[in-house]
Amino acid sequence: EAQVTQNPRYLITVTGKKLTVTCSQNMNHEYMSWYRQDPGLGLRQIYYSMNVEVTDKGDVPEGYKVSRKEKRNFPLILESPSPNQTSLYFCASRSGNMNTEAFFGQGTRLTVV
Amino acid sequence: GENVEQHPSTLSVQEGDSAVIKCTYSDSASNYFPWYKQELGKGPQLIIDIRSNVGEKKDQRIAVTLNKTAKHFSLHITETQPEDSAVYFCAATDSSYKLIFGSGTRLLVRP
Repeated sequence: EAQVTQNPRYLITVTGKKLTVTCSQNMNHEYMSWYRQDPGLGLRQIYYSMNVEVTDKGDVPEGYKVSRKEKRNFPLILESPSPNQTSLYFCASRSGNMNTEAFFGQGTRLTVV
Repeated sequence: GENVEQHPSTLSVQEGDSAVIKCTYSDSASNYFPWYKQELGKGPQLIIDIRSNVGEKKDQRIAVTLNKTAKHFSLHITETQPEDSAVYFCAATDSSYKLIFGSGTRLLVRP
């Protein structure tokens, strides 16, 4: 089954404690991205990756890092989380032909206290 | 860069009625316009998309229309059912193929 898998689904952490949200896809997609979803703001792109070792900032990259060492994995790293990073996060992947369907993970609800 | 505006933010309809959600975009070079449905506790899922060389596309009870001159596109759901209740997002790709999403519409279908 084609899918994007994120872990964990829920996470409560304290300010400043580094955390990583994992994302893996089994569709051999080149393009992967991370979004955050906040009420009234829709889905905003944090970072994206066009292929292995190729990453770039999206619209709201401050406070986040990513890496793309393998095609299937695209972890999101918060080095020093702050309360304003409390949000619902989604990983997504698409094939190299860009005008195609984006497949989303189930989401990670992060709370930073 | 591309900006996508979506209206309304909430929509309540009676079961069996039609629902229409409208979006406008700013970048005339955009050429791909997908619609995603997000059910509670799940990630968004593509329900229909349209490309700029097409004015309308239908798939059973859902249809999307595109007016490139006016830079707006709309989602139409006919004969709504309770399972259509969800959050709907429109999107457009910018010149670098990045998906820019609207702010979402929460649709409630009353039985």
